[in-house]
Amino acid sequence: AQSVAQPEDQVNVAEGNPLTVKCTYSVSGNPYLFWYVQYPNRGLQFLLKYITGDNLVKGSYGFEAEFNKSQTSFHLKKPSALVSDSALYFCAVRKNTGTASKLTFGTGTRLQVTL
Amino acid sequence: NAGVMQNPRHLVRRRGQEARLRCSPMKGHSHVYWYRQLPEEGLKFMVYLQKENIIDESGMPKERFSAEFPKEGPSILRIQQVVRGDSAAYFCASSPGAALNTEAFFGQGTRLTVV
Repeated sequence: AQSVAQPEDQVNVAEGNPLTVKCTYSVSGNPYLFWYVQYPNRGLQFLLKYITGDNLVKGSYGFEAEFNKSQTSFHLKKPSALVSDSALYFCAVRKNTGTASKLTFGTGTRLQVTL
Repeated sequence: NAGVMQNPRHLVRRRGQEARLRCSPMKGHSHVYWYRQLPEEGLKFMVYLQKENIIDESGMPKERFSAEFPKEGPSILRIQQVVRGDSAAYFCASSPGAALNTEAFFGQGTRLTVV
């Protein structure tokens, strides 16, 4: 089955420090991977996606993600965290359903950035 | 171009009543997805619709839940005879197509509370 896994329920980081939110995938064929962020009481916002090409993908709000085929990972990163980055982050993969495809999400990682 | 619009934002129903959740996709989007998010949990796929067709309903409970996306008007997620366990945030997403490299855009969600 095609899926993504987020091994950490929560990540804590001090403002100004680099942050990493982990995601691993299990996909047959080429993976189509996405990151979304959810702020409290809001819907999900698209951050970035990996389709093909460069392994380092740049997205919104200074986030980037590194695709690593040998480790089947797609970790979300940011060089310098902000308190306002505190939110719930979801990794997702597009899965084929036969005639079409749908997004399937990981369980989410809560990022807490403190002063 | 307005984003994905969901209404109502908050819905309170007594046990046994019906809940109707509406979703208007982004302009030009003909693919709609419904997800459910329980408190402190990730997003669970429910159903994927294209205009007038249900493409994938593998995540829908077998009873009491139904969805439609008519030729005209919004997509509707209907829950009959609601129970307390139906209390959750229900998110709708839309995309212009079903291609694997296409991200989906989410609405703000409808928070259903069953009392």
